Amino acid sequence: EAGVAQSPRYKIIEKRQSVAFWCNPISGHATLYWYQQILGQGPKLLIQFQNNGVVDDSQLPKDRFSAERLKGVDSTLKIQPAKLEDSAVYLCASSGWSGDTQYFGPGTRLTVL
Amino acid sequence: QKEVEQNSGPLSVPEGAIASLNCTYSDRGSQSFFWYRQYSGKSPELIMSIYSNGDKEDGRFTAQLNKASQYVSLLIRDSQPSDSATYLCAVNGGNQGGKLIFGQGTELSVKP
Repeated sequence: EAGVAQSPRYKIIEKRQSVAFWCNPISGHATLYWYQQILGQGPKLLIQFQNNGVVDDSQLPKDRFSAERLKGVDSTLKIQPAKLEDSAVYLCASSGWSGDTQYFGPGTRLTVL
Repeated sequence: QKEVEQNSGPLSVPEGAIASLNCTYSDRGSQSFFWYRQYSGKSPELIMSIYSNGDKEDGRFTAQLNKASQYVSLLIRDSQPSDSATYLCAVNGGNQGGKLIFGQGTELSVKP
């Protein structure tokens, strides 16, 4: 069974630029999560989707971050404009349903200069 | 008070010893508890889940849960250098509506 796929694996941008990350969850998983993990900290949930609907986006900085999961399968997370403090690893995870075991993708390491 | 708090590391143990990792949580309604292992530069990998009070054993790993004390721990027996990683405690359920809340992680170093 294929795991969670993410791309790109690494991205370096300058502040005020925009960036987008892509995630394809495990086949059949209805719930998809985007986490931000700053160095030395645990992952923090940014947004949770159930199929193509948003369940929780309470910690998503909506003035600069956006995410979509239009067809209920893959998802895109966008940052525009990026700030220095957005430098982090962005992890995508999926689970069969909300509350079930979450499986993580390899992550995208973002560096904002 | 942090929602999920882990004992500060790094924790260093000799090869073959028992490593004990601790975690406390603030939401008394939490239902599910997980331990993830994260190697440097890699993504978190689930190693244990526990849902009811008591012990749960899986190979060299034992998770312990005490809901009354809001405490969950992970014991690693016969620690190996390959166990050297950051261990993340995660809590789900309760007032968080199913959201997974992670602790800051404890770095474990197993010395040969």
